Amino acid sequence: AQSVTQLGSHVSVSEGALVLLRCNYSSSVPPYLFWYVQYPNQGLQLLLKYTSAATLVKGINGFEAEFKKSETSFHLTKPSAHMSDAAEYFCAVSETGGAQKLVFGQGTRLTINP
Amino acid sequence: AAGVIQSPRHLIKEKRETATLKCYPIPRHDTVYWYQQGPGQDPQFLISFYEKMQSDKGSIPDRFSAQQFSDYHSELNMSSLELGDSALYFCASSSYGISGNTIYFGEGSWLTVV
Repeated sequence: AQSVTQLGSHVSVSEGALVLLRCNYSSSVPPYLFWYVQYPNQGLQLLLKYTSAATLVKGINGFEAEFKKSETSFHLTKPSAHMSDAAEYFCAVSETGGAQKLVFGQGTRLTINP
Repeated sequence: AAGVIQSPRHLIKEKRETATLKCYPIPRHDTVYWYQQGPGQDPQFLISFYEKMQSDKGSIPDRFSAQQFSDYHSELNMSSLELGDSALYFCASSSYGISGNTIYFGEGSWLTVV
């Protein structure tokens, strides 16, 4: 069974600083990996996804993530944080192929300090 | 582009009452998923349907049932409501042939049980 672990339930960075949100996965088959963002009282918006193509994936709002099989990681980064990035971020995994459900990590709340 | 539509957006019910949530997937998506997100929690998979047949089942209570209709919309029925059922309920949809296993989420339905 797949699982995802997000290291750090809360991350706080200064505006303009690097954002790094950590995600490690466990899967018995090549996984599909996703990052979703949830703004307060809103739904889940897809930031980016890895589906076995390029290991460095670029998403919306300047975010990107790198799939590292040797480290079973899929960390999310953004070079320069903006106040509007404050939200809850979820890493998720699904098995390749077919109609496969997502398994979410516990989420990381990102706070941006002015 | 059309998104996943959920209704109602907010619902208040008393204990032991019944609630029904509706979901209209993105056009031509053949798979629907239901997730439950408790306060401060990550989304938990409840159930999914592929081409109107149940395809997977997660931590859905026996008091809950769901189905997907011929027009691909889905309904989640919740009976004998408990205070602990208060949560944000997400519907999501996908189509492997269209979105490559990417799952798109609706804005969610807030259920409050009092």
